[in-house]
Amino acid sequence: EAQVTQNPRYLITVTGKKLTVTCSQNMNHEYMSWYRQDPGLGLRQIYYSMNVEVTDKGDVPEGYKVSRKEKRNFPLILESPSPNQTSLYFCASVSPLADTQYFGPGTRLTVL
Amino acid sequence: RKEVEQDPGPFNVPEGATVAFNCTYSNSASQSFFWYRQDCRKEPKLLMSVYSSGNEDGRFTAQLNRASQYISLLIRDSKLSDSATYLCVVKPRGYNKLIFGAGTRLAVHP
Repeated sequence: EAQVTQNPRYLITVTGKKLTVTCSQNMNHEYMSWYRQDPGLGLRQIYYSMNVEVTDKGDVPEGYKVSRKEKRNFPLILESPSPNQTSLYFCASVSPLADTQYFGPGTRLTVL
Repeated sequence: RKEVEQDPGPFNVPEGATVAFNCTYSNSASQSFFWYRQDCRKEPKLLMSVYSSGNEDGRFTAQLNRASQYISLLIRDSKLSDSATYLCVVKPRGYNKLIFGAGTRLAVHP
């Protein structure tokens, strides 16, 4: 079954404690992306990756890092989380033919 | 001005009603258009692509007006299971990214 997985699904942490949200896809897609979703703002792209070792900033990259060492994995790293990063995060894998984004189930992050 | 604007709703309609959502986009060079559906606390899922000629999928009809930079989604014979947030999505030409509207919430009641 084609899918995108994210872990953890829920996380409560404190300011400054480094965390990583993992994302993995089994569709062999080259293009992957991270979004955050906040009420009234819609989904905003944080970072994206066109292929292994190729990453670029989206619209709201401040405070985030990513890496793409393998095609299937695209982790999101918060080196020093702050309360304004409390949000719902989605990883997505993109089908090149149809421009369709397949989203992971989401990670709800709360930074105290 | 937001790049993709939608009426946030909520639209409260009875079962069987016809409801229409509208969306405007600001980048005239936009290339591809979509409607995604998002259930509460779940991930967005592609509902349908939107083509210049208009397209229909069962009870759902999508229209695109490039001159007015306007996209619409029509849902006929609403079902309780149609209750969700509908996201208007635009892909600008030359960019490998999607731009999402904030969504329109639909609540279908018995």
